[in-house]
Amino acid sequence: GAVVSQHPSRVICKSGTSVKIECRSLDFQATTMFWYRQFPKQSLMLMATSNEGSKATYEQGVEKDKFLINHASLTLSTLTVTSAHPEDSSFYICSASRSHGNQPQHFGDGTRLSIL
Amino acid sequence: ELKVEQNPLFLSMQEGKNYTIYCNYSTTSDRLYWYRQDPGKSLESLFVLLSNGAVKQEGRLMASLDTKARLSTLHITAAVHDLSATYFCAVDVDTDKLIFGTGTRLQVFP
Repeated sequence: GAVVSQHPSRVICKSGTSVKIECRSLDFQATTMFWYRQFPKQSLMLMATSNEGSKATYEQGVEKDKFLINHASLTLSTLTVTSAHPEDSSFYICSASRSHGNQPQHFGDGTRLSIL
Repeated sequence: ELKVEQNPLFLSMQEGKNYTIYCNYSTTSDRLYWYRQDPGKSLESLFVLLSNGAVKQEGRLMASLDTKARLSTLHITAAVHDLSATYFCAVDVDTDKLIFGTGTRLQVFP
């Protein structure tokens, strides 16, 4: 069964709305989770590393104020797309690892965000 | 700039044929992963390669890693339609921080 749960799976909303996406590790504690973004027919682009109890680490070119990440517990990270616009429409995927470096990361099912 | 490139980007192959997908990366790493993605879906883990010379096989797929050449391969043997998907390699650059390859979209036809 799934070990990383992501919610919601699909969001359609108006421009200017803020959207929160949740990522949960179901049966393990994850001090680190990752957020990726994928445009149609393209690869996954790492947006940020979510660190439990501290600030997220953002990749170059990713706006911190636009994509707010909170990792308040060892099993939950949230990504909030603030004041979303059509260009933010994308597939957002989170991941977490049970065992650092030696096991594959487990990916959530992804959230398809469509901004009208 | 770190680059992870896959070749080919698109592969159309006949059932029963063999082919190899290549993954080249530009940084030092001894951990590489292969994932499969079906349309509209998230990623499914295929292989974990943790050292130079590592070789893993599962069914019709076999993956290998050459860290000195910074090259990984995903070999497909006797392809079947069910293997149609997009395949990504991903390089671990800093304890679970992954940089994904460009992806290879595979279509297997009768």
